[in-house]
Amino acid sequence: KAGVTQTPRYLIKTRGQQVTLSCSPISGHRSVSWYQQTPGQGLQFLFEYFSETQRNKGNFPGRFSGRQFSNSRSEMNVSTLELGDSALYLCASREGDYGYTFGSGTRLTVV
Amino acid sequence: DQQVKQNSPSLSVQEGRISILNCDYTNSMFDYFLWYKKYPAEGPTFLISISSIKDKNEDGRFTVFLNKSAKHLSLHIVPSQPGDSAVYFCAASAQKAGANNLFFGTGTRLTVIP
Repeated sequence: KAGVTQTPRYLIKTRGQQVTLSCSPISGHRSVSWYQQTPGQGLQFLFEYFSETQRNKGNFPGRFSGRQFSNSRSEMNVSTLELGDSALYLCASREGDYGYTFGSGTRLTVV
Repeated sequence: DQQVKQNSPSLSVQEGRISILNCDYTNSMFDYFLWYKKYPAEGPTFLISISSIKDKNEDGRFTVFLNKSAKHLSLHIVPSQPGDSAVYFCAASAQKAGANNLFFGTGTRLTVIP
């Protein structure tokens, strides 16, 4: 069974630009969550999608948005990038109440 | 506001000895706790979990202890092996409250010295 796939693995963007990250969950998993990891902050929850609907949202500004498609694949978008958005963005999928499986992440660098 | 805290950013242990990683939380609604292990350039990998109805869960060399009154949990690794060297994250969720997202600590980097 393929794991959670995130693309791209690395990305460099300029301040003010926007970026879209992609996540393909494990086949059969309908829930996809996104997390931001920065040094000293651990993993911060961004949002969770389930069956194309945002089910939960963390404490991030509106520049961070996401969506989920009918095949459960999810995208995360960050607009008007700031230097502080440089981080590792992790996607996790699961089916049922427990058992999150994480992808390897997308390392975003904003210059 | 960090609801899950790992106050030790790093820990070094000799191979064969016990590693104890600690985690504190503030939200009394948390009822499910997990430990994840993370290697560089990889996503976190699930290690072990515990429900709030238990105070101990064991899986091979890994044991998690939960002290609800102190809002504290710990992960014991016995015996520690060099391959255990990684960053360990503690996480919690409030399943019964319908909040399925995980709240993570800031991680503890474990180094097991051969």
